[in-house]
Amino acid sequence: GQQVMQIPQYQHVQEGEDFTTYCNSSTTLSNIQWYKQRPGGHPVFLIQLVKSGEVKKQKRLTFQFGEAKKNSSLHITATQTTDVGTYFCAGPSGGSNYKLTFGKGTLLTVNP
Amino acid sequence: GAVVSQHPSRVICKSGTSVKIECRSLDFQATTMFWYRQFPKQSLMLMATSNEGSKATYEQGVEKDKFLINHASLTLSTLTVTSAHPEDSSFYICSARKNRGYSGGAYEQYFGPGTRLTVT
Repeated sequence: GQQVMQIPQYQHVQEGEDFTTYCNSSTTLSNIQWYKQRPGGHPVFLIQLVKSGEVKKQKRLTFQFGEAKKNSSLHITATQTTDVGTYFCAGPSGGSNYKLTFGKGTLLTVNP
Repeated sequence: GAVVSQHPSRVICKSGTSVKIECRSLDFQATTMFWYRQFPKQSLMLMATSNEGSKATYEQGVEKDKFLINHASLTLSTLTVTSAHPEDSSFYICSARKNRGYSGGAYEQYFGPGTRLTVT
């Protein structure tokens, strides 16, 4: 079945440093989504990318969708302590019902 | 908006008892809701897809007789863990996707705050 791989699993940075997490799918995706889960919280939808090569920005967060629509990245510029959490990418699982397959996530910790 | 509530947030039960968890979409209608299980520091494992007015679709390896799902209305899905055992202890999270006609993508999911189940 479809697999969504995400690296790194963990990333610890000093506040102000940049951070990037990468997502790779075993199949071509019609879209890819990113979610953030704060420690002790629940996943919160961040963004959806649909077009090949698409780049979207949300303040210090930049999301990219690869040309082949099989990979994606999330880049955070100048991290802040509020960025702490686990970032998940997710792609459609195929079939009906709009199921998603989630990557294992990247846990970001930020040292103030 | 896209607010999903989940109740209870925490529950402790004895082994052999059943526990019901409710998932509600508060400000939108959700034909489809999803139930996930999440172990500490791990990803979300989809258990089943709940469709309003029809039977749930379970993922491979998930016992449908143990995890009963009912999606009785467009805003409510329930998960009942029957005859719970300590190995069922986990964080259960539901999510909902908006019906067609709402803004946003068809695949966007909005998560409830989760239910921490502890079976003693």
